[in-house]
Amino acid sequence: NAGVTQTPKFQVLKTGQSMTLQCAQDMNHNSMYWYRQDPGMGLRLIYYSASEGTTDKGEVPDGYNVSRLKKQNFLLGLESAAPSQTSVYFCAVSTGAAYEQYFGPGTRLTVT
Amino acid sequence: GENVEQHPSTLSVQEGDSAVIKCTYSDSASNYFPWYKQELGKGSQLIIDIRSNVGEKKDQRIAVTLNKTAKHFSLHITETQPEDSAVYFCAASKTGGSYIPTFGRGTSLIVHP
Repeated sequence: NAGVTQTPKFQVLKTGQSMTLQCAQDMNHNSMYWYRQDPGMGLRLIYYSASEGTTDKGEVPDGYNVSRLKKQNFLLGLESAAPSQTSVYFCAVSTGAAYEQYFGPGTRLTVT
Repeated sequence: GENVEQHPSTLSVQEGDSAVIKCTYSDSASNYFPWYKQELGKGSQLIIDIRSNVGEKKDQRIAVTLNKTAKHFSLHITETQPEDSAVYFCAASKTGGSYIPTFGRGTSLIVHP
């Protein structure tokens, strides 16, 4: 089992470009999350999804959009990338009941 | 909302020493406190957790203590090894409803051989 996978692993964008970060899970868990991690800031929640077809904003949602059309996939979109979005992005999943979160390996995004 | 403070931000120890990382939380309703380890270039992995009905939990060289009155909890690593070098995150959350933990800012632990 792959667990939680993220694509791509690395990405460089120019300001104003758009892209989608992909997260996939084979754990059949209901809840999925997108975090960003910046130096000295810990993990900050961008969006989360409690179940297929539902999404909710987290602490830092501005400039992002998400899609959870299938239970196993959670997509994070940047419509017009800004240098402030340079970060490492982590996807996580959990059952919602057991509370442990399982994290993907991360996507390192640089916006120039 | 919940606020989690984590200290220190960096901790450097010699192999074999003990390491302690402390976190405080603000919401007295929080009742689940996990600790995650993030190795370089990887996602975070749960290493131990504690619920509010327990004061201490141990797993080999790792232990977590919880003081509900003072609203703080700590991670203790004994007999540290170079492979313990990583970033450690604490988190606090409430059970029931959507599971949305609040994370501390992380502690970079460096174990020197």
